[in-house]
Amino acid sequence: GQNIDQPTEMTATEGAIVQINCTYQTSGFNGLFWYQQHAGEAPTFLSYNVLDGLEEKGRFSSFLSRSKGYSYLLLKELQMKDSASYLCAVRDSNYQLIWGAGTKLIIKP
Amino acid sequence: IAGITQAPTSQILAAGRRMTLRCTQDMRHNAMYWYRQDLGLGLRLIHYSNTAGTTGKGEVPDGYSVSRANTDDFPLTLASAVPSQTSVYFCASGRSNTGELFFGEGSRLTVL
Repeated sequence: GQNIDQPTEMTATEGAIVQINCTYQTSGFNGLFWYQQHAGEAPTFLSYNVLDGLEEKGRFSSFLSRSKGYSYLLLKELQMKDSASYLCAVRDSNYQLIWGAGTKLIIKP
Repeated sequence: IAGITQAPTSQILAAGRRMTLRCTQDMRHNAMYWYRQDLGLGLRLIHYSNTAGTTGKGEVPDGYSVSRANTDDFPLTLASAVPSQTSVYFCASGRSNTGELFFGEGSRLTVL
């Protein structure tokens, strides 16, 4: 079966750095995506990785290792507005997105 | 620019009733999707459409139907609602050659 694993909840301090991990087992791989979802709102696109390595976009970076079936999302200089759920999704061989259950990130002052 | 619009935003429905959730996008995206999101679970694909005139079944299609008469509209119909269909429903659109999806604000459906 296809499976995306990510921690259910994480807590971090304002101004700090947090790393949210995602491991996956899917039938084929055509890219990995990270989305942010604030409570009661729609998911919004954060990043896309299809090749191994780090993609940096401002305070957010995403890393991929295809051989390990592993990705992480790194958030730097945390702000209170970063409190949200972060969803990891993998596009499989049929080009459909398989979603993890999401990691709820709580930022404390 | 509206992006992608869903209606209604919230609805309480008696079991056995028929319900249609509406979804309209103005971005001319060829692909559209319906997901349901339940606590503790990832987004689950109900139905999708890669282009106007075609539809496909996702992971959890039973009890739901869709149509794609044109590029902009992708309604989701529950023929006879059951309590297990209580969920938040998200419509999304995107270009087939990219993975980035644009989501509507969601429709919270409660079936009693």
